[in-house]
Amino acid sequence: EAGVTQSPTHLIKTRGQQATLRCSPISGHTSVYWYQQALGLGLQFLLWYDEGEERNRGNFPPRFSGRQFPNYSSELNVNALELEDSALYLCASRDDRETQYFGPGTRLLVL
Amino acid sequence: SQQGEEDPQALSIQEGENATMNCSYKTSINNLQWYRQNSGRGLVHLILIRSNEREKHSGRLRVTLDTSKKSSSLLITASRAADTASYFCATVPTSGTYKYIFGTGTRLKVLA
Repeated sequence: EAGVTQSPTHLIKTRGQQATLRCSPISGHTSVYWYQQALGLGLQFLLWYDEGEERNRGNFPPRFSGRQFPNYSSELNVNALELEDSALYLCASRDDRETQYFGPGTRLLVL
Repeated sequence: SQQGEEDPQALSIQEGENATMNCSYKTSINNLQWYRQNSGRGLVHLILIRSNEREKHSGRLRVTLDTSKKSSSLLITASRAADTASYFCATVPTSGTYKYIFGTGTRLKVLA
């Protein structure tokens, strides 16, 4: 069974640009979560999608947005990038026993 | 702010010793989960304990949950160098939102 995949693995942008990160959940999982992990810190909840709808979002500004497609893959968009957006962005899908399965992450560097 | 707080923040032990990490949380939960993260990569699920359970085992892992104290502990017995990683607890509140709240993590280093 293929795990959660994320692309790209690394992304370098400059301040003010936009970044798009992608995630494909495990087959059969309809829920996708996005987290931000700044260097050396814990995970901060960003967004939760289920069945194509945004179900909840964390304490992040509106320039962090996303969507979930009919095949349950998801996209995270970060507009007007700031230096402090540099972090590891993790995507996870959830099974029906409430366990999350994480992808390897996208490391975003904003210069 | 994060609901879960792990203690200690960092732990260094010798191979073969036991490692204990603690997690405290603030609100009522449906379940609590422990995850491992190697070198800034994706997290791996270790074990889930529900609010009506007090103890659970999985291989060398033992998790306890005390809902009255809003705390949990993860014990890794007979540690190995490969156990070197960061360990996070995650809680699922009873609010029904399926919003996972991760703690700040414990960095475990097992010395060979």
